[in-house]
Amino acid sequence: KQEVTQIPAALSVPEGENLVLNCSFTDSAIYNLQWFRQDPGKGLTSLLLIQSSQREQTSGRLNASLDKSSGRSTLYIAASQPGDSATYLCAVKTSYDKVIFGPGTSLSVIP
Amino acid sequence: GAVVSQHPSRVICKSGTSVKIECRSLDFQATTMFWYRQFPKQSLMLMATSNEGSKATYEQGVEKDKFLINHASLTLSTLTVTSAHPEDSSFYICSARELGTSGARGQETQYFGPGTRLLVL
Repeated sequence: KQEVTQIPAALSVPEGENLVLNCSFTDSAIYNLQWFRQDPGKGLTSLLLIQSSQREQTSGRLNASLDKSSGRSTLYIAASQPGDSATYLCAVKTSYDKVIFGPGTSLSVIP
Repeated sequence: GAVVSQHPSRVICKSGTSVKIECRSLDFQATTMFWYRQFPKQSLMLMATSNEGSKATYEQGVEKDKFLINHASLTLSTLTVTSAHPEDSSFYICSARELGTSGARGQETQYFGPGTRLLVL
């Protein structure tokens, strides 16, 4: 059974700092891995999608890596801003229709 | 990018009433839609997979008679919470997989709706 974990559960950093969020999954047989952002009381915003054949994806200040063999993904945020404060969820697609979400990391960027 | 909408965005109802939530793919056709539930401070849990023109597939532990799903067209799926109770209060999010997306099987993207917050008093 696929399980997805995220470390840390919560993170508070000063503005401008670079940071890394971690996601681990137990079964390496995945189709893709996706990172989402969720603001309080809101829906999901897709940040980056990494297919199983890819190693990383970049969008602006965000960079996500994927190491299928070790069951890990990281989301790197450069030069953090207060507007980056949100909960970040990783999700793995384990079959044609099944997407398993991690519990999320709550990020707070202090001005 | 593809857009998925949900209506209503927020609903408050009395215990015992039924609530219908709509999920629409606005600019693409979706043969398959998914319904997720998120309790406070928890992650999203898949409730059911909704296939156009056929019965939904429910995840273990989800009562199909309580959470009625109808996927009547390629752009609309509805979730009806029947006889809602306070413990059904949650954030419900749908997603849709675009029909005929290119790429290898399993690599199609799911597009998520903005969610519906249900509060049952």
